Amino acid sequence: RKEVEQDPGPFNVPEGATVAFNCTYSNSASQSFFWYRQDCRKEPKLLMSVYSSGNEDGRFTAQLNRASQYISLLIRDSKLSDSATYLCVVNTYTGGGNKLTFGTGTQLKVEL
Amino acid sequence: DTEVTQTPKHLVMGMTNKKSLKCEQHMGHRAMYWYKQKAKKPPELMFVYSYEKLSINESVPSRFSPECPNSSLLNLHLHALQPEDSALYLCASSHGDRGRPCEKLFFGSGTQLSVL
Repeated sequence: RKEVEQDPGPFNVPEGATVAFNCTYSNSASQSFFWYRQDCRKEPKLLMSVYSSGNEDGRFTAQLNRASQYISLLIRDSKLSDSATYLCVVNTYTGGGNKLTFGTGTQLKVEL
Repeated sequence: DTEVTQTPKHLVMGMTNKKSLKCEQHMGHRAMYWYKQKAKKPPELMFVYSYEKLSINESVPSRFSPECPNSSLLNLHLHALQPEDSALYLCASSHGDRGRPCEKLFFGSGTQLSVL
């Protein structure tokens, strides 16, 4: 089983739609969680951290369920500029340092 | 300055060449990372340096040799690479405070490496 699993998509949605991405992770000792966005041929950029209490940043809402080892990202009122690959990232702190493991990414295409 | 700078942006090398990738940050971060990313795949961790010491090596072949000369610089020395090593090599940094489990990574724009 992969450490971090995501549906690769692509998710093709019309502008204005609400879309949800899911992610599961296998290491119950993981401490922190993030969503990154990666545009084609660019480096990943941090979108938001994910907290158990749920957190919102504008049109984006992230949720963590530690018991189920499940992370989600909800995008409301999708814009054309939201088209990108969304990477679920799980951080596990070891004696050697922080190890961030990336999911395979979910591709989103927002269309007119 | 909130940037991680990588040079060169593109590199083409033969299998007998020796080259180095460079990464620099001036955010005072004490953890630095090398990731390898193949096309349409997520980044894969190669090395982590914490306080200028190699703390994680993800069983990377010895033809990749990392070096951290000081807290702002991270190099990746390449020797006798194979064509399958062609990929985007990403450098990242984070605060890296010891015992701090919640780390956000700041990425450089990467070096696109082609091995012929």
